Amino acid sequence: TQLLEQSPQFLSIQEGENLTVYCNSSSVFSSLQWYRQEPGEGPVLLVTVVTGGEVKKLKRLTFQFGDARKDSSLHITAAQPGDTGLYLCAGKGSGGSNYKLTFGKGTLLTVNP
Amino acid sequence: DAGVIQSPRHEVTEMGQEVTLRCKPISGHNSLFWYRQTMMRGLELLIYFNNNVPIDDSGMPEDRFSAKMPNASFSTLKIQPSEPRDSAVYFCASSFLRMNYGYTFGSGTRLTVV
Repeated sequence: TQLLEQSPQFLSIQEGENLTVYCNSSSVFSSLQWYRQEPGEGPVLLVTVVTGGEVKKLKRLTFQFGDARKDSSLHITAAQPGDTGLYLCAGKGSGGSNYKLTFGKGTLLTVNP
Repeated sequence: DAGVIQSPRHEVTEMGQEVTLRCKPISGHNSLFWYRQTMMRGLELLIYFNNNVPIDDSGMPEDRFSAKMPNASFSTLKIQPSEPRDSAVYFCASSFLRMNYGYTFGSGTRLTVV
């Protein structure tokens, strides 16, 4: 079974601060996705990273895939209250499991004005 | 496209009753997934359909759970009989079966079994 551990589980910061959340596994994934979920809604895809060492930027969000494709990080610069939400990482299997996304339990981020 | 549509948004039922959750995927997507989300266990995959055919139902908790996809635009998840431990948010998601394609989730059904 492929497991994804996310840390921290909860994070509360002030507007304007920077933060990093982590997603770690002992398994190798063919790709890794990050989602953000707001209360009462389903997760929404932010980014997909595929290549080991890959870095992608989405405005103030920077995503990195580890060289061994086992871990990832999400860095937010100058956080804003609109960034509040549950951030989920999800790893996609390979071969016969290439349809399957395994989700971490998420990091609940609160950005206070 | 209106996205993935789930109904109802909220369901409160008594233990032992039958519950049916509904999902309309995005037109053209060939894969459909049912997930359950709880605080303790996070998002768990219950069942996966490809081209309306169930491919992986290993996540279905027990025989009380069943899912169908009679056509490309509709799927149901049924719990009979329901139990309090089934209380959770149930999500339907659809996608293309391609390596790096993401899932589009519905807004979920919050099920409470009392």
